[in-house]
Amino acid sequence: DQQVKQNSPSLSVQEGRISILNCDYTNSMFDYFLWYKKYPAEGPTFLISISSIKDKNEDGRFTVFLNKSAKHLSLHIVPSQPGDSAVYFCAASGTGNQFYFGTGTSLTVIP
Amino acid sequence: EAGVAQSPRYKIIEKRQSVAFWCNPISGHATLYWYQQILGQGPKLLIQFQNNGVVDDSQLPKDRFSAERLKGVDSTLKIQPAKLEDSAVYLCASLSGPDTEAFFGQGTRLTVV
Repeated sequence: DQQVKQNSPSLSVQEGRISILNCDYTNSMFDYFLWYKKYPAEGPTFLISISSIKDKNEDGRFTVFLNKSAKHLSLHIVPSQPGDSAVYFCAASGTGNQFYFGTGTSLTVIP
Repeated sequence: EAGVAQSPRYKIIEKRQSVAFWCNPISGHATLYWYQQILGQGPKLLIQFQNNGVVDDSQLPKDRFSAERLKGVDSTLKIQPAKLEDSAVYLCASLSGPDTEAFFGQGTRLTVV
């Protein structure tokens, strides 16, 4: 049973515009959420995280929003750059430090 | 700070053969994970260690997969015998503590033919 879902397998955005990647989860016990970025032939690299006590966390061009009532989080990238083209995974964890991943969204930023 | 090291990077074996993967986590990270990532899917947890003890191996196919972390540092994951559906990238990750990010290695891409 998929506890973390990313319903958009792919997204294309023009350079300079905003990229919005979405993620939904089903387990209300999750209290820590992360976004990872993955290039081909490499392992996932950490991008940004948010604790369930917050609803927004910002780091440069990257902002993560958390809506606990909707069990939804999103990643905003502004402005998008060609180097942002990668697969983005949403992950969630609760007690036990176990990370559950979504299926990923492949972002293409068009120059 | 050195990252999570994994070897080999790539492995091709025939079905019913055995294979082993090795992981060296970031120094001082007590928690170590093995994930399986099948093409087009997200990473799926196989086993979680805390030091040299198993925290969760509920998703590990124990009839063919085994893993150990004898001294609480390096870990090995073994598949014996391999099946075609085991073709995937095997990722090792480590964690320093709660509410922090896990760091991943580059993974081992296994192809079973």
